[in-house]
Amino acid sequence: QVQLQESGPGLVKPSETLSLTCSVSGDSIISTTYYWGWIRQPPGMGLEWIATVFYSGSSYYNPSLKSRLSISVDTSRNQFSLRLTSVTAADTAVYFCGRVDRRAYYFDHWGQGILVTVSS
Amino acid sequence: DIQMTQSPSTLSASVGDRVTITCRANQSISSWLAWYQQKPGKAPKLLIYKASTLESGVPARFSGSGSGTGFTLTISSLQPDDFATYYCQLYDIYFGTWTFGRGTKVEMK
Repeated sequence: QVQLQESGPGLVKPSETLSLTCSVSGDSIISTTYYWGWIRQPPGMGLEWIATVFYSGSSYYNPSLKSRLSISVDTSRNQFSLRLTSVTAADTAVYFCGRVDRRAYYFDHWGQGILVTVSS
Repeated sequence: DIQMTQSPSTLSASVGDRVTITCRANQSISSWLAWYQQKPGKAPKLLIYKASTLESGVPARFSGSGSGTGFTLTISSLQPDDFATYYCQLYDIYFGTWTFGRGTKVEMK
């Protein structure tokens, strides 16, 4: 059974960079069947897709965030990571990582989520 | 990019009611649509993918239909465990982007 676990700082200062890692267990990140992605949810609001990456490094970004985003994979550690630069209070959210089935483009497994607060 | 409209934003219903939630895209997305259920403090849970395929382990009272631009999630007989927020999610195959609907909160009448 695949499991995903987000990790990273829970508090980031405005204008700094948010860095999160998703550790995958029970499945290899080197898979032709799956993408790996990030989604966020501001407090009391809906879900927003952030970015998705293939094990080869091919990546897809939300156009509204693309200029500040970077997503990467570390196949040796079976992890993938997210970097979001120049954060503001609007980036405060629960960040989820997930596995995406490439056969029909849906998130079939999710991490539990990590709350990241942007505040000085 | 493809715009999605999910309705209603809130739905009041009773146990046993038939519940319908709709998502409409402003251009065709074929059948690249999924539905999720989310409860407070939890990650979303996949219910339906490819518009109408029920995820393994999901009760048969959940069903999805539609293709192209209009999609529906139906709960045939609402159960106490079904009070939650539901999201649709589309995939834009031309731009390689995912979009979630704004969500529908199903609350007790």
